[in-house]
Amino acid sequence: AQSVAQPEDQVNVAEGNPLTVKCTYSVSGNPYLFWYVQYPNRGLQFLLKYITGDNLVKGSYGFEAEFNKSQTSFHLKKPSALVSDSALYFCAVRDMSRTGLTFGKGTMLLVSP
Amino acid sequence: ETGVTQTPRHLVMGMTNKKSLKCEQHLGHNAMYWYKQSAKKPLELMFVYSLEERVENNSVPSRFSPECPNSSHLFLHLHTLQPEDSALYLCASSQDLPGGTAETQYFGPGTRLLVL
Repeated sequence: AQSVAQPEDQVNVAEGNPLTVKCTYSVSGNPYLFWYVQYPNRGLQFLLKYITGDNLVKGSYGFEAEFNKSQTSFHLKKPSALVSDSALYFCAVRDMSRTGLTFGKGTMLLVSP
Repeated sequence: ETGVTQTPRHLVMGMTNKKSLKCEQHLGHNAMYWYKQSAKKPLELMFVYSLEERVENNSVPSRFSPECPNSSHLFLHLHTLQPEDSALYLCASSQDLPGGTAETQYFGPGTRLLVL
């Protein structure tokens, strides 16, 4: 069975500082990894994904994520946080034995001015 | 965000009511999904349709009944729900290719359901 862990319920960072939102995963085959963001009363918006290739994936709004196979991690990062980045972030994984995504429980990111 | 639309956005229903949630995708995708998002729980995959055939049903109670009449529309029919079914119901779509690739799923804004 596949699973995703987001160990932090909330991450607090000051505007302008770098941010990291952690994600670890477990799948039986090659992992396909995704990050989504959810703003209040909205659906999930796609940020980035890792399928194969470079371990550093660049996505929307200046976000990037680093795939680490040995640590089974896919942490989301941004060099300089904005107040507008405050939202709920979800990591998700899919292996090719299934069609749907398995999501982590989400991490609330709060960026203070 | 207008690629996947959901109606209604909010719904309040009693336990004896019958209602339906509607999802429409304007992206030309061939796969559609229903997810349930409850407070303090991970998103749960409920149903998957690919080429209008149900390919995944994750042990969802029979009081939830999906319908996919064509590749652009997906319904979730609700009857005799329980208060614990109150949640945000999210629809998503993707373009799944032969041989299997992890194509991106695009989500609608959700229907906020309250069961009294």
